[in-house]
Amino acid sequence: SYELTQPPSVSVSPGQTARITCSGDALPKQYAYWYQQKPGQAPVLVIYKDSERPSGIPERFSGSSSGTTVTLTISGVQAEDEADYYCQSADSSGTSYVFGIGTKVTVL
Amino acid sequence: QVTLRESGPALVKPTQTLTLTCTFSGFSLSTSGVCVTWVRQPPGKALEWLALIDWDDDKYYSTSLKTRLTISKDPSKNQVVLTMTNMDPVDTATYYCARFLSRGGYFDYWGQGMMVTVSS
Repeated sequence: SYELTQPPSVSVSPGQTARITCSGDALPKQYAYWYQQKPGQAPVLVIYKDSERPSGIPERFSGSSSGTTVTLTISGVQAEDEADYYCQSADSSGTSYVFGIGTKVTVL
Repeated sequence: QVTLRESGPALVKPTQTLTLTCTFSGFSLSTSGVCVTWVRQPPGKALEWLALIDWDDDKYYSTSLKTRLTISKDPSKNQVVLTMTNMDPVDTATYYCARFLSRGGYFDYWGQGMMVTVSS
């Protein structure tokens, strides 16, 4: 079955930039989406269609895409950004959805 | 205001069938482009997509679980039901329902989630 590959963890100091990558063979064909999940809470969409930001999401969250890899960038990381981040996309047929394993962002 | 809420048994025995209901408000599942989906998350593990039903009653399932899953809807009650057969302790997880917009391709509103434990 189709898989998305993310690093399990990223550590960053406050005010610095965190970058989380997500790789998948179908990403050149399918959009990627990013969700933030804090402990005990449901996921929240932070980026859609590779690089679009929903209303209400801070500008420090941005997304980009290049070939089979998409990247979530958090600029000027704040303590409140400490959470798990999941990339999500669809397989090449567009009828099956998949999440990455999640990346735990730790703010040092 | 869009809301979704999961309901069902918190505890099921191995081999039993799990039936979960998602009751939603603030949108119609009869509107073109609107879908409802189920996602689960075992304790300390990643999100896993399970199934999706769309406004036209088309249904899509996780490849690895499709033989065990059935998704259905009752638009008059604003409900979507997921059944999962032959439950096993590895199916212990928080089960979420969420709204999915086909135009955007994302899960935009989520329920609070419901913890289901499989144990004898």
